[in-house]
Amino acid sequence: DVKVTQSSRYLVKRTGEKVFLECVQDMDHENMFWYRQDPGLGLRLIYFSYDVKMKEKGDIPEGYSVSREKKERFSLILESASTNQTSMYLCASSRGQGIRAQHFGDGTRLSIL
Amino acid sequence: DQQVKQNSPSLSVQEGRISILNCDYTNSMFDYFLWYKKYPAEGPTFLISISSIKDKNEDGRFTVFLNKSAKHLSLHIVPSQPGDSAVYFCAVISSGSARQLTFGSGTQLTVLP
Repeated sequence: DVKVTQSSRYLVKRTGEKVFLECVQDMDHENMFWYRQDPGLGLRLIYFSYDVKMKEKGDIPEGYSVSREKKERFSLILESASTNQTSMYLCASSRGQGIRAQHFGDGTRLSIL
Repeated sequence: DQQVKQNSPSLSVQEGRISILNCDYTNSMFDYFLWYKKYPAEGPTFLISISSIKDKNEDGRFTVFLNKSAKHLSLHIVPSQPGDSAVYFCAVISSGSARQLTFGSGTQLTVLP
């Protein structure tokens, strides 16, 4: 079974802090994704990566950056956290170039005070 | 503008009856459609999918129907069980970006015992 692990289930930070969310997958997947989930808006794609050191903007990249130094690890960075970034953050991975279902971690609920 | 819409935020069904979850999309370039299920405090898990060349796909109690002319997707669960209570997201893929998913806003299904 694919395992996607997000480092924290709950996180509380303050406005202006730099925040790191970590995600690790153990199935050698090429593709990794970061989403946020908000009520009434579903899952929205923030950033994704198809290879090491590669990144692409999703639908809502503003205020975020990412890092993929190793194939199994994809980090989401909030450069200067703001209260509107309070949300559930979900990491996902998938294999290869074709159409594939994505496998998700259990999420990090982030609160910015 | 949302490309994938789930117009019913919630649905309640009696155990043993049919649950029908609906999803509408706007872009005829979408060619693969998926349903995910999400329990609280867990990440979404893949449930069932359908290619645009088909109009029906069945897996046990779950059947997905695709009406391309109406740009409409539905998920039928028969018979519904209390363990099916979860948020259901539809998601779409376009051939131009086969690895990216676009999600709907989700429908909370409650199956009453």
